[in-house]
Amino acid sequence: GAGVSQTPSNKVTEKGKYVELRCDPISGHTALYWYRQSLGQGPEFLIYFQGTGAADDSGLPNDRFFAVRPEGSVSTLKIQRTERGDSAVYLCASSFAGANNEQFFGPGTRLTVL
Amino acid sequence: QKEVEQNSGPLSVPEGAIASLNCTYSDRVSQSFFWYRQYSGKSPELIMSIYSNGDKEDGRFTAQLNKASQYVSLLIRDSQPSDSATYLCAVSSGGSNYKLTFGKGTLLTVNP
Repeated sequence: GAGVSQTPSNKVTEKGKYVELRCDPISGHTALYWYRQSLGQGPEFLIYFQGTGAADDSGLPNDRFFAVRPEGSVSTLKIQRTERGDSAVYLCASSFAGANNEQFFGPGTRLTVL
Repeated sequence: QKEVEQNSGPLSVPEGAIASLNCTYSDRVSQSFFWYRQYSGKSPELIMSIYSNGDKEDGRFTAQLNKASQYVSLLIRDSQPSDSATYLCAVSSGGSNYKLTFGKGTLLTVNP
């Protein structure tokens, strides 16, 4: 079946602009996650959704970052007033709910802030 | 700060050899442990999960977990050049099963 999809694959923006990154999880997966990966580092947790609600947003770096999942499927990560330090690959993952939490990643969106 | 530590490598092995990748973690209440493979320019791909002490085998891969020592490893038997990638160790953290903390990864090179 289809895996996690993310759009766009690449996004170049200017400092101070607003961006939206989209994630479409694997069908049937109720849990959805956003991570951020910088060069030479492992993915860093940002936020976790169970259904429509953000169950844990403790990894969001500041209030410029916000994510929604209004219908419990597709999610959008929104970044306001982008800064050069926001440049990274933004990864989305999804999983079934439950104890054995195997997370499957999408291809990522490479964000470059000039 | 919950940490996951891996040797950055590179780890270089000849084709057909066993590659051994190691990971230690600091959160004693972690319950779920994963190994991901990441090719250059690609996203992480789940290859193994392990939840209880001991060994878990899947094809050429064996994951080993020792919660008392806070140690998890991945063995790759009969290594192939196509196994050349960065291997990421991920551990559930903060008493949850959903929030993963990743190590920085170990770069493995399998030489033909």
